Order: sequence, then C-alpha cells, then structure tokens
Amino acid sequence: KAGVTQTPRYLIKTRGQQVTLSCSPISGHRSVSWYQQTPGQGLQFLFEYFSETQRNKGNFPGRFSGRQFSNSRSEMNVSTLELGDSALYLCASRTGTGQWNTEAFFGQGTRLTVV
Amino acid sequence: QKEVEQNSGPLSVPEGAIASLNCTYSDRGSQSFFWYRQYSGKSPELIMFIYSNGDKEDGRFTAQLNKASQYVSLLIRDSQPSDSATYLCAVIDRAGKSTFGDGTTLTVKP
Repeated sequence: KAGVTQTPRYLIKTRGQQVTLSCSPISGHRSVSWYQQTPGQGLQFLFEYFSETQRNKGNFPGRFSGRQFSNSRSEMNVSTLELGDSALYLCASRTGTGQWNTEAFFGQGTRLTVV
Repeated sequence: QKEVEQNSGPLSVPEGAIASLNCTYSDRGSQSFFWYRQYSGKSPELIMFIYSNGDKEDGRFTAQLNKASQYVSLLIRDSQPSDSATYLCAVIDRAGKSTFGDGTTLTVKP
C-alpha cells in the first residue's frame, strides 16, 4: 500500500511569490491535514480537509489556503511568501475525522525555503 | 498557556533504563491522545494512541492517561539507542482539531 506522497520535496521561492504544495493521501483515506514545522514553533496545525470540505483550521493568516479534490488529493497554497514561511510542510492522512480521530500517517514533507 | 505542553528536554537516559515522557493538555473535553516519534530529518510516525483512562501497553511502550488531571505520559522500558528521537504528544479536541506539543528530545546513551 503506497504511503502519503508529497510533492515537491524541496522548493526555493522568493519573497512575494506564491507556492502550491501537493499531497496524495493513502488510498482510502479521506482526511488530509496540513502542518507547518519549524525549529522554533514545533508542529503547527494549518487545516484539515475531509470529503473536499475544510473541517478545521489553525491560527494562520489568510495567505495560507488549501483545497481537496474528489480523489482526496489535497493542495496547499501560500501567497505573498514571507521569509518566516520557510519551514517543513507536512501532510498527514487519516481514514476519518472528528473527535475520535484515528492515527495520522505523515508524508515526507516539502521543505520550503523563502529567500 | 499552551494547549499541549510537554516536559522540556532534552532528556538523557542510559541504555536499559526507563524513559518517562510527559504531556499535559488544556481542553478537558479532549478524547484522543497520540504519541509520535520523529527521528532527525524524518517525518513523525505513530507509536501509540490512547482513548481511555489508565494504561495501555505495547511492547516496551506504555501510554498512561489521566483525564481528571489532563495528563498523558509515555514510558519506554529497556531504552535502546535506537529510541533516541524527538517524541511528540498530540491531542484531538472536541472539534476534531489536532494539536501537537513542542516535543521532547530523548537521547539514550550506550
């Protein structure tokens, strides 16, 4: 069974640009969550999508957005990039969603560097 | 106050010892609790999850949950150098939102 696939693995962008990251969950998993990981802030929750609907959202500015397609694949977009957006972006897939959530399987992440 | 707090590290234990990792959370209604291990440069991977008060054992790992005290812990018995990693506590709140602690870095010395 294939794992969670994130593309690209590495990305270098310039301040002010925008970027789109992609995540393909494990087959049959309908929930995709996105996280930002930095040495100073740890693992921060961005948002979760389930069945093409955003179910939860973290405390990030509106520059961070996402969507989910009918095949459960998800994309995350960051507009007007800032230096502070440099981080490892992790995607996690789950079978379901909600309070009695199941374990999350993480992708290898996309390392974004903003210069 | 952070929503999920873990005991500050780094934590160092000798090989064969018991490593104890602690986590407290602020949302009393939280129901799902997870421990992940993250090796340097790698993604987090699940070690254990626990939903009910009490202990849950899996091999050398034991998760303990006390909802009244809003406290969850992970014990690693017979610690091995391969257990050296950062351990992340994750809590799912009533809305289904997951929050991770900042992690505790464990070093097991041979």
